[in-house]
Formats: sequence, C-alpha cells, structure tokens
Amino acid sequence: NAGVTQTPKFQVLKTGQSMTLQCAQDMNHNSMYWYRQDPGMGLRLIYYSASEGTTDKGEVPNGYNVSRLNKREFSLRLESAAPSQTSVYFCASSEVFTGQGRTGELFFGEGSRLTVL
Amino acid sequence: GNSVTQMEGPVTLSEEAFLTINCTYTATGYPSLFWYVQYPGEGLQLLLKATKADDKGSNKGFEATYRKETTSFHLEKGSVQVSDSAVYFCALRQGAQKLVFGQGTRLTINP
Repeated sequence: NAGVTQTPKFQVLKTGQSMTLQCAQDMNHNSMYWYRQDPGMGLRLIYYSASEGTTDKGEVPNGYNVSRLNKREFSLRLESAAPSQTSVYFCASSEVFTGQGRTGELFFGEGSRLTVL
Repeated sequence: GNSVTQMEGPVTLSEEAFLTINCTYTATGYPSLFWYVQYPGEGLQLLLKATKADDKGSNKGFEATYRKETTSFHLEKGSVQVSDSAVYFCALRQGAQKLVFGQGTRLTINP
C-alpha cells in the first residue's frame, strides 16, 4: 500500500541550484497537488493538477514549475533555489468529488524537507 | 471566499484529559468538513470527516459534529493519550473546489 510516494525525503541546495521533487501515486486519482509547509504558516498550495494534462497555480506558485507527467506522476521543479524556498514540501492526491459518498479527500506523501543555503 | 479558522495553539494537556480543538468555517452552501492529523515527521492523514449538517465524524476516539447553525466542526476526545500528540488541521471542501485548510493546532500530551 504505497499510496503517495515522494522523493527525495531530504535535500540541501545552494542558492541558485535547481532540483526536481518527484511524486507518484498508485490510487488512480485524477487530481494531484503540491503544498509547502512552513512553521506557523500551515499548508500553502503551490500548484495543482485537476487531471492528467492540466496544471494550475495555487497560492504561492512563484519560483516553481510543475509537470504532470502522466496520471500517476506530478513533479515540482525549482529552477533557481532561494533561501525563502526552505520548507517541507508535500505532494497529495485526491479522488474526484462526486457528492455521492466521494468527498475528494486528500492523501498525502510523507514530505520532502528542503534546505536552501 | 471559503475559509477555516482554528483555535491557536499550542495546546498542552495531561494524559486522560478532555480535548477540544475549535474550528469554525466560512462558506456558502454545505461544504464537506474534515479533520486531518500530522504526526511528527509524517504527512497529513485524514482523521475524520462529515458531509452534511448534524453529521458526526468519528475515528480513534475523536469526534466532531457538523454544526451548520454555528458554522463549526470542533474536534473532541474524552481521554487523550501521549500518542495523540500531533498537529491537527481542520479543512473544508466546497463541491469540486480545492480543499481549504486551517492553520493547524499543535497538541502535546504529557504523561
């Protein structure tokens, strides 16, 4: 029962370096999300993908790009990392909301802790 | 727009104490309401949910009742354990729209 798998779990970057966070889900969910979690800030949505082939900006998209590679995979890329992007990143997926017992609850990965020096 | 307001933490209790974490929301219509829990070093996981007014969600001894008249979904547990120490998030979803989270409440239970 893998659920949502994120890699890497930990990463240290220098300012200006680039990297990609990978996310894969095995629940056949249509929707996928990337959040960041900072102390005292709760969760903030970076980008989401309502379905394969579509992506949309969330609350804090600046400095990030995403790719919905296929139905299973949704990656987050930092092109030029900045110290302000030091955070814990969570990928999540959800089933489609139908209003008939399917409420579209989110399933989360374990998180990727990123430090930018 | 839709929003969720949780009581500010951190909350510290002794084992076997009664727990209440307040959550109120602003939304039109009848959103679905959720409580998520985040244990140390882990991602969020769904604790319980309610989809219509007067529904009671329950799991692991936790309960929350969807109160339309007070726009609230307070989380309660009659006797907390050290293992309940975690961050708790209230959230709502309005139809097919994105999930909206509260700020989270950190709970620490002392033995």
